[in-house]
Formats: sequence, C-alpha cells, structure tokens
Amino acid sequence: EVQLVESGGGLVQPGGSLRLSCAASGFIFSSYTMSWVRQAPGKGLEWVSTLSGSGVSTYYADSVKGRFTISRDNYKNTLYLQMNSLRAEDTAVYYCAKDLATRANWGQGTLVTVSS
Amino acid sequence: QSALTQPVSVSGSPGQSITISCTGTSSDVGDYNFVSWYQQHPGKVPKLMIYDVTDRPSGVSNRFSGSKSGNTASLTISGLQAEDEADYYCSSYTTSSYVIFGGGTKLTVL
Repeated sequence: EVQLVESGGGLVQPGGSLRLSCAASGFIFSSYTMSWVRQAPGKGLEWVSTLSGSGVSTYYADSVKGRFTISRDNYKNTLYLQMNSLRAEDTAVYYCAKDLATRANWGQGTLVTVSS
Repeated sequence: QSALTQPVSVSGSPGQSITISCTGTSSDVGDYNFVSWYQQHPGKVPKLMIYDVTDRPSGVSNRFSGSKSGNTASLTISGLQAEDEADYYCSSYTTSSYVIFGGGTKLTVL
C-alpha cells in the first residue's frame, strides 16, 4: 500500500524558512515523479513543484520559483521542499503526491502558516 | 500557468445526473489524456475519482464517469446522492511537464 507522510510544517515569520519532508513507502520511490501541491485556507488546489524520479528534472510554479527548492533522497525514500523567503500568501496545507499527472496518491498534508 | 476553467457551482436533486466541465487549451487538456478529477469534502484530503480521462481507481463508484472532447473534459455523476456534495477539482498534465488544476466546483445536492 502506498503511504506518503508529510512533516515539517508549522508557524514561521515572513521572510523565514522551512523544510518540508514527505516519507514514502509501499512503492519503488526512485521510479516515480513526485510533486508538491498546496491549498490555501478556503481556496483551491495549486501545483507547487515537481521532481523526476532521478532527481534531474525540476519544475516550479511561477509563484515559488527562486524561493522554493524541491529535492529527494532515493535511499531514504524521502521528498523535500525547502521554502525560503516565505510570504503570508504561502500559508497553506502542503501535500506531497506520487505520479500527480495520472493515478496519483496523496499524503495527508502538513500546514504551513506564515505570520508575524 | 493559468488554471483550467470550471463552473463555480452546480447543483442537482438526489437521483439526478450532473456534469461538471473543465476547459483548458491545446497545451494541456487538448493534448494529453492525462485528466484527473478529485472530490474534496471539507477538511479532508482530495480523493482521486477519475484519472487518465475515463479510468476509475478501485473503490470509486461507477456512478462517476469522465470524458473529453477537444480542450474540454467532463465529470458526470449519475444517481446523485447526498454524500456526493463536495468540491470537485479537475487537473491536467501540460506540455510544460507540470500539472495544472481547475479552480474547483462546489456541488450542492438539493
């Protein structure tokens, strides 16, 4: 059974940094593209970033480009999202997802709140 | 990175059928058969209902079906039930190698 467990969320001040983790199990992690998706309170789903299985190809939404970095450790079966220069508008539940384009699996999400 | 276009809200009575549309462009919906539909109840994780335009994950009721014509995909729910009341989101793979979502549709069961 595919399991994705996010962690690392919390309260951070504007301009601060946070690193999210997504621990994966139940599948061959290195074979799959992984993504982060977020949902601001009361808003819709927003794709944030995608990373290929090898870790070579990365893609970012314009709203986070230059501030967020996606990475993975295929030995630890873990996906990461390093978030720098955080803004109030980054406040959201962040979900990691396996194979987002097709038969996706999602984690339970972790809440990031950017506020002073 | 514009969102796919969905109606803000739709409604129907129990037992009826409803259809939610999802309009994109030739760079996303029109170019790939990688359209998915999610159901989200308040405070819950989005649940995959349809993937690859027409396929249902195991455990999803066959009352849910998907289709596509040109740049527009559709989700049809037949035999509407009270538990179907939720927000629904479409998504599509794009020529730029990422996924975009629709703005979401609130389904009300009258």
